Amino acid sequence: SAVISQKPSRDICQRGTSLTIQCQVDSQVTMMFWYRQQPGQSLTLIATANQGSEATYESGFVIDKFPISRPNLTFSTLTVSNLSPEDSSIYLCSVVKGEETQYFGPGTRLLVL
Amino acid sequence: QKEVEQNSGPLSVPEGAIASLNCTYSDRGSQSFFWYRQYSGKSPELIMSIYSNGDKEDGRFTAQLNKASQYVSLLIRDSQPSDSATYLCAVNLANYGGSQGNLIFGKGTKLSVKP
Repeated sequence: SAVISQKPSRDICQRGTSLTIQCQVDSQVTMMFWYRQQPGQSLTLIATANQGSEATYESGFVIDKFPISRPNLTFSTLTVSNLSPEDSSIYLCSVVKGEETQYFGPGTRLLVL
Repeated sequence: QKEVEQNSGPLSVPEGAIASLNCTYSDRGSQSFFWYRQYSGKSPELIMSIYSNGDKEDGRFTAQLNKASQYVSLLIRDSQPSDSATYLCAVNLANYGGSQGNLIFGKGTKLSVKP
């Protein structure tokens, strides 16, 4: 299994500001992802965080809005920039361990006023 | 547009009954299919994966896959109140092979098991 922590667990931010979310895993993993879960919606993949190179973004998500760092195999950050109320969501990081299992972190609840 | 469709529910079943959750997907080349359970305010947890046509059983859970019909289902036998949660169907896009990367999630079915 994988133990994943995220900081902060929740935050309230003003529009126009930025929030950086940290994801820490208890062991080295190759694949790490960032998801968004908007209220009442399912999970949407934002990007794959690649160690040592630029993240791979999904359609509709851009680096300027969601810059991602992954300095090593156990840690990643996601920044949500220039916040608007539409960015109010739960942001989750996930990792793959073993052949099949994708583990999710506890999530960061963001409210933008 | 790759899609995964689920009935949002809520699906209400009495304790001890069989709960049947259904999911259809649009990407005909998909090879890997997953069921996640998400309790309110918690993150999703994997409960079943299935790759081949037919049934796969794990305790009270049975996943069923029919690739020709692009349909995957989850049966929960002897449902318990603790099974009350939202169940998310996830499908791996065809161009990612069997990798867990790049899952497309359905919106989830909310299950309520009444004592």
